[in-house]
Amino acid sequence: DGGITQSPKYLFRKEGQNVTLSCEQNLNHDAMYWYRQDPGQGLRLIYYSQIVNDFQKGDIAEGYSVSREKKESFPLTVTSAQKNPTAFYLCASSTQGASNQPQHFGDGTRLSIL
Amino acid sequence: GNSVTQMEGPVTLSEEAFLTINCTYTATGYPSLFWYVQYPGEGLQLLLKATKADDKGSNKGFEATYRKETTSFHLEKGSVQVSDSAVYFCALTIQGAQKLVFGQGTRLTINP
Repeated sequence: DGGITQSPKYLFRKEGQNVTLSCEQNLNHDAMYWYRQDPGQGLRLIYYSQIVNDFQKGDIAEGYSVSREKKESFPLTVTSAQKNPTAFYLCASSTQGASNQPQHFGDGTRLSIL
Repeated sequence: GNSVTQMEGPVTLSEEAFLTINCTYTATGYPSLFWYVQYPGEGLQLLLKATKADDKGSNKGFEATYRKETTSFHLEKGSVQVSDSAVYFCALTIQGAQKLVFGQGTRLTINP
């Protein structure tokens, strides 16, 4: 079945440590996105990529980095510069150039600080 | 700018009750409108969408009509079930852009 796979489901970070969240899709979508979800809030866009080897900052990019070396993969690194990383992180993908098409979401990674 | 405002939750109803979750938006262009649902511990799933004024999106007994004159996209269901308990998000994209703008979400709990 086609879909988006995020791993791990739960992740713990020590102070001063960088961690990387994985996102893989087999939907043949060009565009991919990373969102952060905090309790009682909507989703906020961290980074997005519309094509391989290109990506743009979203609304809350500080303390995060991404890469897009393959169409299927869009990993997110939470760096030590992100002072409040505890949140639920969601990856999504969509057809490129079609704003009326929905985004498809993974099941998320919950990141906590040790 | 572009924004989405949802009815504040949490909302608690009894099974078979009528549901309305209000959603209004502001947009600089011609938005497409979406309702997503999030079950506990999971990602978001598309519930329904509407891409132009007066369109009605529907799925699993839920409906929402794109009302340009009132800039609204309220979610309704005639008879809710316990399995409808989840968080519901209203969202929009603007023509020519793909970024989703989300409302803050409304937590719905249905009691048997």
